[in-house]
Amino acid sequence: EAGVTQFPSHSVIEKGQTVTLRCDPISGHDNLYWYRRVMGKEIKFLLHFVKESKQDESGMPNNRFLAERTGGTYSTLKVQPAELEDSGVYFCASSHWPSGSRREQFFGPGTRLTVL
Amino acid sequence: QQQVKQSPQSLIVQKGGISIINCAYENTAFDYFPWYQQFPGKGPALLIAIRPDVSEKKEGRFTISFNKSAKQFSLHIMDSQPGDSATYFCAASYSNSGGSNYKLTFGKGTLLTVNP
Repeated sequence: EAGVTQFPSHSVIEKGQTVTLRCDPISGHDNLYWYRRVMGKEIKFLLHFVKESKQDESGMPNNRFLAERTGGTYSTLKVQPAELEDSGVYFCASSHWPSGSRREQFFGPGTRLTVL
Repeated sequence: QQQVKQSPQSLIVQKGGISIINCAYENTAFDYFPWYQQFPGKGPALLIAIRPDVSEKKEGRFTISFNKSAKQFSLHIMDSQPGDSATYFCAASYSNSGGSNYKLTFGKGTLLTVNP
């Protein structure tokens, strides 16, 4: 079974540019989460999808961040325009839905974003 | 406001020794407490998890101790090996959004180094 994949693995962009991160969850996982870890800080929740529906966007920093999950499969996270403080590692995780007792979230390797 | 506090930030242990990482939480609604292990260049991977109705859970060399009244839980790694060298994250979650959103709240992580 393939794990969660993320693309790109690294991205270096200039302040003001746009970047789009992609996440492919494990096949059959309808729950999809985005998290971010800024250097030296904890991994923080950004948002949650069930299939194509956004359930919780409470962790999104501001309206420069836009997440989509068209068709309920892969998801994209767009940052436009990027600011210096957006630098960090962006993780995607997926899990079964409904979860029941299966609450394990499977994480991708992350995308390291550097904004110069 | 950091809801899950993790200590120590870094830990050096000799091979064969016991590694102990501690976490404390504030939100009494949390009902699931996983520990994640992360190797460089990889995403966090679930190591072991516990629910608050038990005080201890053991899987191989890894044990979670849970103290509900103190709102604390800890990870013990027995007979630590160089291959255990990684970053360890404690986390917590609770069910909301009708039981579909189990977003994780993480501690800041502990970098464990096991010397041979």
